[in-house]
Amino acid sequence: EVQLLESGGGLVQPGGSLRLSCTASGFIFSPSAMTWVRQAPGKGLEWVSAINGVNSDTFYADSVKGRFTISRDNSKNTLYLQMNSLRVEDTAIYYCAKTDYDLLDYWGQGTLVTVSS
Amino acid sequence: DIVMTQTPLSSPVTLGQPASISCRSSQSLVHSNGNTYLSWLQQRPGQPPRLLIYKISNRFSGVPDRFSGSGAGTDFTLRISRVEAEDVGVYYCMQATQFPRTFGQGTKVEI
Repeated sequence: EVQLLESGGGLVQPGGSLRLSCTASGFIFSPSAMTWVRQAPGKGLEWVSAINGVNSDTFYADSVKGRFTISRDNSKNTLYLQMNSLRVEDTAIYYCAKTDYDLLDYWGQGTLVTVSS
Repeated sequence: DIVMTQTPLSSPVTLGQPASISCRSSQSLVHSNGNTYLSWLQQRPGQPPRLLIYKISNRFSGVPDRFSGSGAGTDFTLRISRVEAEDVGVYYCMQATQFPRTFGQGTKVEI
């Protein structure tokens, strides 16, 4: 059974940093692409970033480019999202999703990030 | 970026009756490889999203056959043949033809 467990969310002040983790199990992690998607309170889904499994190519939404960094540690079956220079508008639930090219086929339960002074 | 526009944004439905949601993209979703990467996801209240349909019309594993997808190019439709109570939630279309991936605004299906 595919399982994705996000962690690392919390309350942070504007301008601060946070690192999210997504621990995967139930599938072969290393060749699998992975994606972060976020959802602001009461709002829709926003694609944030993705990383390939084979060559670790990375992709970012313009709204986070230069501030967020996606990475992975295949030895730990873990995906990361390093978030710097956080803004109030980054407040959201952050989901990780297993990605099969175009499919976001399995999702975690999400972790809440709140950016507030 | 490709803009995805869903209509309606809210859809009151009757149990046992059909429902449909439209999704239009600002440009063709046909990839250079010939595939069209349009997916539909369902988000039940308090739950993470769940993949329903991929590449326009392919149902994901475990998705009931009352869900179907159709369309081509820039216009796509999700249909529920007979709405059940568990279908309440928000439905999103998503394009994966190019980066950044983009979602529609979501359509709330409520009884």
